[in-house]
Amino acid sequence: GAVVSQHPSRVICKSGTSVKIECRSLDFQATTMFWYRQFPKQSLMLMATSNEGSKATYEQGVEKDKFLINHASLTLSTLTVTSAHPEDSSFYICSAAIWDSRNQPQHFGDGTRLSIL
Amino acid sequence: DAKTTQPNSMESNEEEPVHLPCNHSTISGTDYIHWYRQLPSQGPEYVIHGLTSNVNNRMASLAIAEDRKSSTLILHRATLRDAAVYYCILRDGSGSQGNLIFGKGTKLSVKP
Repeated sequence: GAVVSQHPSRVICKSGTSVKIECRSLDFQATTMFWYRQFPKQSLMLMATSNEGSKATYEQGVEKDKFLINHASLTLSTLTVTSAHPEDSSFYICSAAIWDSRNQPQHFGDGTRLSIL
Repeated sequence: DAKTTQPNSMESNEEEPVHLPCNHSTISGTDYIHWYRQLPSQGPEYVIHGLTSNVNNRMASLAIAEDRKSSTLILHRATLRDAAVYYCILRDGSGSQGNLIFGKGTKLSVKP
């Protein structure tokens, strides 16, 4: 089956640090990648949708200057949390899909647990 | 996006079948019914999806009501590894690329 690799799996850093999270589709070309955030005991919340070679589309309430998304190739998208603060601590999850496969599954990474001290 | 309603939690015994219900009374004709599950501290995992007909795969079966206003995910023999939060999600098959909107899901506990 399709595999999505997310790295790192866990990050602990000081307030004010910028953190980059990578999401790679290992055995398929992902024209579209999605970034989600999940707080403890809550469901996943979509942050943004990223299409290869174009700007990401952010959900309402998500600061695009704070959460920088780059999707420069068909197998890699990155999420950078700039100047992270304790309230940014969360579980960040990416998923990947093939364009025009609206009826096909999304494939998820294993998530990155971000803890800001 | 059309909304789904699921019980907050369910319990099952190991090696017994589990039926996880989902109501989606406002489903449109082009909405696919997707099921994902999330084990603790992991990303969601695709389980199964369907449109009108019942579907079977190695993980589970999906039974879709004739009027499509409800569906049931069936795990034929629950194992301890099936303990997870199960999400029933409608995904528009005709519109945009169809990002998934997650509800609260059903937390399944499996007792040995």
